[in-house]
Amino acid sequence: QVQLAQSGAEVKKPGASVKVSCKASGYTFTTYYMHWVRQAPGQGLEWMGKINPSGDITTYAQKFQDRITMTRDTSTSTVYMELSSLRSEDTAVYFCARKRDGYNLFDYWGQGTLVTVSS
Amino acid sequence: SYVLTQPPSVSVAPGQTARITCGGYNIRSKSVHWYQQKPGQAPVLVVYDDSDRPSGIPERFSGSNSGNTATLTISRVEAGDEADYYCQVWDSSSDHVVFGGGTKLTVL
Repeated sequence: QVQLAQSGAEVKKPGASVKVSCKASGYTFTTYYMHWVRQAPGQGLEWMGKINPSGDITTYAQKFQDRITMTRDTSTSTVYMELSSLRSEDTAVYFCARKRDGYNLFDYWGQGTLVTVSS
Repeated sequence: SYVLTQPPSVSVAPGQTARITCGGYNIRSKSVHWYQQKPGQAPVLVVYDDSDRPSGIPERFSGSNSGNTATLTISRVEAGDEADYYCQVWDSSSDHVVFGGGTKLTVL
């Protein structure tokens, strides 16, 4: 069965960076796009960006363009999202989500990773 | 950038029908997908491509899309349907995914 297992919760200071991982299993990793979506406490879903199956093309939301990097390691079937210059407003749960092949929707989600930014 | 507008909240009594709207310019030209999210959980797809249901989703969940409004309809609402619901589209002009702001469904 398809599973997306994310790394554990993080606490970071303002100005620092965080790197969240998402390990995929149960399907052919190199076939699917992976996206990242975040959710601030009590707020809605916010799309951050995506990475293509081979890992050489990324598309980021304008809001994060300058401080986000998505990568993927096919040897370990893991996708990474690194966000730099953290501020308190980045406190959120970060989800990885697999794009269904042939559709622009998400059929599987990771469990979420809470990132807390606090001095 | 493309914007999707949802009402913040919808309330309905058990057994009644809940309708959650998602407004966007000429949204009928896009495929709209709907997710259900319960507290502390990841979202779950309940309707895709305007009106199709993934396997395992009850027939009580249906969708439509016309003009500038897409609608998620939940018939014979149950207590277990209480959750946040989000609409989502892909904006081809920007190649970005867009979510609506979410609607909290309360079962009275």
